[in-house]
Amino acid sequence: LAKTTQPISMDSYEGQEVNITCSHNNIATNDYITWYQQFPSQGPRFIIQGYKTKVTNEVASLFIPADRKSSTLSLPRVSLSDTAVYYCLVGPNNYGQNFVFGPGTRLSVLP
Amino acid sequence: DAGITQSPRHKVTETGTPVTLRCHQTENHRYMYWYRQDPGHGLRLIHYSYGVKDTDKGEVSDGYSVSRSKTEDFLLTLESATSSQTSVYFCAISESAGQANQPQHFGDGTRLSIL
Repeated sequence: LAKTTQPISMDSYEGQEVNITCSHNNIATNDYITWYQQFPSQGPRFIIQGYKTKVTNEVASLFIPADRKSSTLSLPRVSLSDTAVYYCLVGPNNYGQNFVFGPGTRLSVLP
Repeated sequence: DAGITQSPRHKVTETGTPVTLRCHQTENHRYMYWYRQDPGHGLRLIHYSYGVKDTDKGEVSDGYSVSRSKTEDFLLTLESATSSQTSVYFCAISESAGQANQPQHFGDGTRLSIL
């Protein structure tokens, strides 16, 4: 079970690019890296998932180095509405047993 | 957004009473999960289901039971609620499990207070 470490909190300003890094030193060969976003009073929402190199969608980019021991979620030009908790998860999701949500990173976007 | 409905959304009850939370999905996904979320603990898996009548325990299953008689419904029961079970409960679904990591989709939660 790959353990993840990410900063507890981050502050940013509107219009800036935000990069949140997650460490997962004991990631296994068949593990994927998944990021979720959670707003207050809502359930987590899937943002992006990757296995290696770079993945980009309409919301974010995910950068994964060759050794896969870390990953970086990049949010371009954040707005106030991006204020949320961001979770990094690693695993093959065998029946949810390997989905371990840590405390996440609380991102605060300031005007 | 995935079609997941949790009911009730809020509930206040007393210690020792039975409580049942319902998760209903319209996606026909095979896998369903119940989590609880408490300050400082992130989300913790209570029970999960990998098909009708097929369930198994998660990380924090003591004091909880589940049932899945239909693909679309997954019930979480607290047989005799205790104050330590005051929490926000989330249901999640996923299409499959296995080598390819299948993202889970979450409901909006049930806030349960046990006095």
